[in-house]
Amino acid sequence: QVQLQESGPGLVKPSETLSLTCAVSGGSFSSYYWSWIRQPPGKGLEWIGYIFYSGSTNYNPSLKSRVTISMDTPKHQFSLKLNSVTAADTAVYYCARGGIWFGEFYAVDYWGQGTLVTVSS
Amino acid sequence: DIVMTQSPLSLPVTPGEPASISCRSSQSLLHGNGYNYLAWYLQKPGQSPQLLIYLGSNRASGVPDRFSGSGSGTDFTLKISRVEAEDVGVYYCLKALQTSITFGQGTRLEIK
Repeated sequence: QVQLQESGPGLVKPSETLSLTCAVSGGSFSSYYWSWIRQPPGKGLEWIGYIFYSGSTNYNPSLKSRVTISMDTPKHQFSLKLNSVTAADTAVYYCARGGIWFGEFYAVDYWGQGTLVTVSS
Repeated sequence: DIVMTQSPLSLPVTPGEPASISCRSSQSLLHGNGYNYLAWYLQKPGQSPQLLIYLGSNRASGVPDRFSGSGSGTDFTLKISRVEAEDVGVYYCLKALQTSITFGQGTRLEIK
């Protein structure tokens, strides 16, 4: 059974950098899109971006200037950095696995439990 | 940017009755390989979203057969043949493919 677990600070100060890590267990780390998705309190889901197992990345255009997703293949982990955060970045952050169908991302099939990150001084 | 529009945004349903949610994309999600890159999720209260339907009409593992997905191109529908109390939550569609992955705004299903 594939499991994903987010970790990182639950409180970040405005203008600083939000950093989260996702540990993947129970399955292959290859041939998937490793993704970050967030959900502000009481609101809908927003895709942040993904890193493909080859190392290529793709980010939401609205966040692209502030986001970096990286991975540590031997450790089966991938990470999110979001810089210059504001209160609008307060959300539950999910790490997730995206599957491949005919070479294309086709769905998120496994999700972490999510971690709430609050941006406040 | 591709926009995903769901309707209705709120859906009160009597147990045992059917329910239907629409998801429209501003661009076609039909790939040249013949598959529609559209998925459906249910987020139950206090939980992470769970995959219900992928590639437009394929039920994910363990999903009850009362859930079905249909549609092609820009118009998609999620149907629940007979709503049960455990189906309460927010339903989202997801536009897949590699660039600009996008969720719909969500449809909240509640029991009357």
